[in-house]
Amino acid sequence: DTGVSQNPRHKITKRGQNVTFRCDPISEHNRLYWYRQTLGQGPEFLTYFQNEAQLEKSRLLSDRFSAERPKGSFSTLEIQRTEQGDSAMYLCASRGAGTGELFFGEGSRLTVL
Amino acid sequence: QQQVKQSPQSLIVQKGGISIINCAYENTAFDYFPWYQQFPGKGPALLIAIRPDVSEKKEGRFTISFNKSAKQFSLHIMDSQPGDSATYFCAASGTGGGNKLTFGTGTQLKVEL
Repeated sequence: DTGVSQNPRHKITKRGQNVTFRCDPISEHNRLYWYRQTLGQGPEFLTYFQNEAQLEKSRLLSDRFSAERPKGSFSTLEIQRTEQGDSAMYLCASRGAGTGELFFGEGSRLTVL
Repeated sequence: QQQVKQSPQSLIVQKGGISIINCAYENTAFDYFPWYQQFPGKGPALLIAIRPDVSEKKEGRFTISFNKSAKQFSLHIMDSQPGDSATYFCAASGTGGGNKLTFGTGTQLKVEL
């Protein structure tokens, strides 16, 4: 396991459809984060998990967004009834206990037509 | 509210020159200040990080300078190379709130031959 893995890398969908992204963190990293990045901007925090518990959600995470991390391993981010404004890169990152370094995956790019 | 302000938005430097990117933060609870490098289509990768107990940290050609009283920190890239051409993000986090990172808006660096 060499890093954080995200799938799919690219997703094109029509407005109103549901999409789901998966993140596999670095093994034994207990903290997992989701960020959203739009063109020309820095990543914006969406939510994070410590093990299987979702401990914080940003106000950016509307009711159409839901994230889970069953069993404290991989995580999924689902967007329901997608809107054009949801088009962005969704980044997952993980961190081990007691360390500051956040390791990012390569992201899942969403395009909503 | 933008908690981490980054400048400049873009920077062109000649090969061998020094690249300097600046960031300012507002939240005095921040105690970890990393810099990330991002290439197109890739996730951000940690470049170097500093904690406020030191005023400077150097790793190879990369140096962070930190001014706690001014709430500012900067990245210096010495002997800049074309391979350094990327987008650089400063970030900050505190021990509260899950150590989530707040990112600056990014600096697009181009190193010309």
